[in-house]
Amino acid sequence: RKEVEQDPGPFNVPEGATVAFNCTYSNSASQSFFWYRQDCRKEPKLLMSVYSSGNEDGRFTAQLNRASQYISLLIRDSKLSDSATYLCVVNGGTSYDKVIFGPGTSLSVIP
Amino acid sequence: DADVTQTPRNRITKTGKRIMLECSQTKGHDRMYWYRQDPGLGLRLIYYSFDVKDINKGEISDGYSVSRQAQAKFSLSLESAIPNQTALYFCATSDPPGRGSTDTQYFGPGTRLTVL
Repeated sequence: RKEVEQDPGPFNVPEGATVAFNCTYSNSASQSFFWYRQDCRKEPKLLMSVYSSGNEDGRFTAQLNRASQYISLLIRDSKLSDSATYLCVVNGGTSYDKVIFGPGTSLSVIP
Repeated sequence: DADVTQTPRNRITKTGKRIMLECSQTKGHDRMYWYRQDPGLGLRLIYYSFDVKDINKGEISDGYSVSRQAQAKFSLSLESAIPNQTALYFCATSDPPGRGSTDTQYFGPGTRLTVL
């Protein structure tokens, strides 16, 4: 089993749609969780950290389920500018471990 | 000015040549990383360094070497480039969790390397 797995995608959705991305991780000791966004041929950038209680930033909501080792990202009212690849990122479990990137899920928002 | 810079941004070279990619950061982070990205394969870790005296292999270190010259500088070398090393290379930095940070990674703009 891969350490971090994501929906394979791609997701093609119309403007205004709600879309959800799922991610699972294998290391139950992981402590930090993130969603990154990567535009085509650009560097990944932090979209949001994911907290145990769940967190929201505008149209974006992230959820964490430690028992199921599952992370989600919900995007409401999709915009054309949301088109990108979304990377799920999990740390290795201790401060000495590196973070692990998932393979990413591609989103295209269509007019 | 960008916090994480990479040079060169683009490079075309021939098989067998030695190539060095350089990364500099002004964020004062201890940790630095080199990744490569190929279409459809996502980011793969080549090497990482948690401080100046620390170097660790990632999942695809064969054919690569690194040098951590200072806290702010981390270079990646291809001793004898081969065509399947054609890829987009990213440098990243982070601070370890527990010092007011969460190990968020900050990436440079990438170096597009083509080996003919």
